[in-house]
Amino acid sequence: NAGVTQTPKFRILKIGQSMTLQCAQDMNHNYMYWYRQDPGMGLKLIYYSVGAGITDKGEVPNGYNVSRSTTEDFPLRLELAAPSQTSVYFCASSYWDRNTEAFFGQGTRLTVV
Amino acid sequence: RKEVEQDPGPFNVPEGATVAFNCTYSNSASQSFFWYRQDCRKEPKLLMSVYSSGNEDGRFTAQLNRASQYISLLIRDSKLSDSATYLCVVNTDKLIFGTGTRLQVFP
Repeated sequence: NAGVTQTPKFRILKIGQSMTLQCAQDMNHNYMYWYRQDPGMGLKLIYYSVGAGITDKGEVPNGYNVSRSTTEDFPLRLELAAPSQTSVYFCASSYWDRNTEAFFGQGTRLTVV
Repeated sequence: RKEVEQDPGPFNVPEGATVAFNCTYSNSASQSFFWYRQDCRKEPKLLMSVYSSGNEDGRFTAQLNRASQYISLLIRDSKLSDSATYLCVVNTDKLIFGTGTRLQVFP
């Protein structure tokens, strides 16, 4: 029973490098989300998707890109990494019914040096 | 103004105490409301949904006041295992999280 799977769990990037954080869910959820959480802070929404082919910006989209070509996968792309992108990244998914629970992956801890 | 605001705490309480957390939200079109719990360096997990009529789950009671745009969580008979950060979450067309309120229960 995998739920939401994020890879990698940890990553160190150099300034200016790029990478893709992977997120996959096997629950046939149509909503998927990417959040970042800085130390001692709450979760800030980066991007979200209400279904395959549809994505929207959240509160802090700058420096990131997403795509949703399938229901299962929602990768987050970081271009030209900056130290300000050092954070823990969480992917989540839920059904279309807004009253249902969102399930989270275990997070990706990213450090940009 | 932030969409969802919470007192960050920390709240330090002894075992057995009753503690209450509050949360306000700015978007009157918000449709559903939740409390999530997050343990240190872990992913958030749903604690309970919040309904207009108020709802209870064991030692936990959640209430919603739509007129005041206010959500609360009451924890009775606190346990050491309740130590965590409690996140208020509001759903309009996306899930917006508050900054969280940290609870530390001591023996």
